[in-house]
Amino acid sequence: GAVVSQHPSWVICKSGTSVKIECRSLDFQATTMFWYRQFPKQSLMLMATSNEGSKATYEQGVEKDKFLINHASLTLSTLTVTSAHPEDSSFYICSAREGQGLETQYFGPGTRLLVL
Amino acid sequence: GQNIDQPTEMTATEGAIVQINCTYQTSGFNGLFWYQQHAGEAPTFLSYNVLDGLEEKGRFSSFLSRSKGYSYLLLKELQMKDSASYLCAPMDSNYQLIWGAGTKLIIKP
Repeated sequence: GAVVSQHPSWVICKSGTSVKIECRSLDFQATTMFWYRQFPKQSLMLMATSNEGSKATYEQGVEKDKFLINHASLTLSTLTVTSAHPEDSSFYICSAREGQGLETQYFGPGTRLLVL
Repeated sequence: GQNIDQPTEMTATEGAIVQINCTYQTSGFNGLFWYQQHAGEAPTFLSYNVLDGLEEKGRFSSFLSRSKGYSYLLLKELQMKDSASYLCAPMDSNYQLIWGAGTKLIIKP
């Protein structure tokens, strides 16, 4: 099956610092990648959708200047949480799919971010 | 609007069968996915239905009725490792998955 990796799996940082999370599709080319956030016992919340080579589309309420997304290649997307604060502490999960339509989304293992 | 309705929690016994129901309303429809999510982990893909009927894949089967906006996931021969949340995710006309809170399934010995 399709494999998506995420790095790092855990991040603990001080308030005010920036954190970069990488998402890679290992055995397929991901035309589209998604970034989600999930708080404990809550549903997945889509933050943004990115297509390779173009700007990400952010969901309502998600600050694009705070959550910088770069999808520079067909196998790599990055999410940078700038000037992180304790309320940004969450489980960040990326997913990837091969096309822009009916293809299955495969998820990375997620990144737990704790901002002190 | 778009919404998904699944039971919040279900309990079943090891070795038994359980059916997790899902009703949905979406703007357009391009099929429905089921994902499994263990506590503290990311979701993993289980099944995809776009046509009415039952899709069987080993111990797991998924059913879809488009006219009723209804799907279910059937798990047979339950094992302890099946304890997880099960997410019903229909795809809308923009090829976006719509996510609910899922159903937490607890398996007891």
